[in-house]
Amino acid sequence: DTGVSQDPRHKITKRGQNVTFRCDPISEHNRLYWYRQTLGQGPEFLTYFQNEAQLEKSRLLSDRFSAERPKGSFSTLEIQRTEQGDSAMYLCASSPPGLAVTYEQYFGPGTRLTVT
Amino acid sequence: AQSVTQLGSHVSVSEGALVLLRCNYSSSVPPYLFWYVQYPNQGLQLLLKYTTGATLVKGINGFEAEFKKSETSFHLTKPSAHMSDAAEYFCAINNAGNMLTFGGGTRLMVKP
Repeated sequence: DTGVSQDPRHKITKRGQNVTFRCDPISEHNRLYWYRQTLGQGPEFLTYFQNEAQLEKSRLLSDRFSAERPKGSFSTLEIQRTEQGDSAMYLCASSPPGLAVTYEQYFGPGTRLTVT
Repeated sequence: AQSVTQLGSHVSVSEGALVLLRCNYSSSVPPYLFWYVQYPNQGLQLLLKYTTGATLVKGINGFEAEFKKSETSFHLTKPSAHMSDAAEYFCAINNAGNMLTFGGGTRLMVKP
């Protein structure tokens, strides 16, 4: 399978705990995105990497959230001191290099976070 | 700023009937437009996209959409619904930035 993969698929944690999610993009895709999707809503943009550089962050990405892409390959999204409002599906997407004229993004299956 | 509005959070059709899912957008520059489908507990799969050129775009699974600049619309259609089309559909816009902006989604239900 050469698609975008995410791990874990499901995570249940208690309020106040830290969690970390991983995303492996499609090989040779240099652009990587994180989105958050709450129940019954469309995905909302969180952050964007081009190679290892984090080029854009949404105001939704509070200080408790941090994302990294250390070698321009996989990425991690960490949430510190989780709150019940963090419960959502966290989606990762990637897109290929070049002019990116189509700006098409390929999505992974998501990580569903439940904070109890 | 860019935004997307999907009219109708739920649409129900009979198997074999026409599917019409509505999408209107707001953008200050020429947009790139997308339709994605999401099945329960899965990620998003691209159905079709409009970048430039022909305004009638054909996608996978028999879906198509027409970009109408004058109406700022990008409605999704399929001539004959199948049970397997039941899913959540999202319209999205990218006006040459680094993020997709999604509409709220339309849940399509197909009755036998």
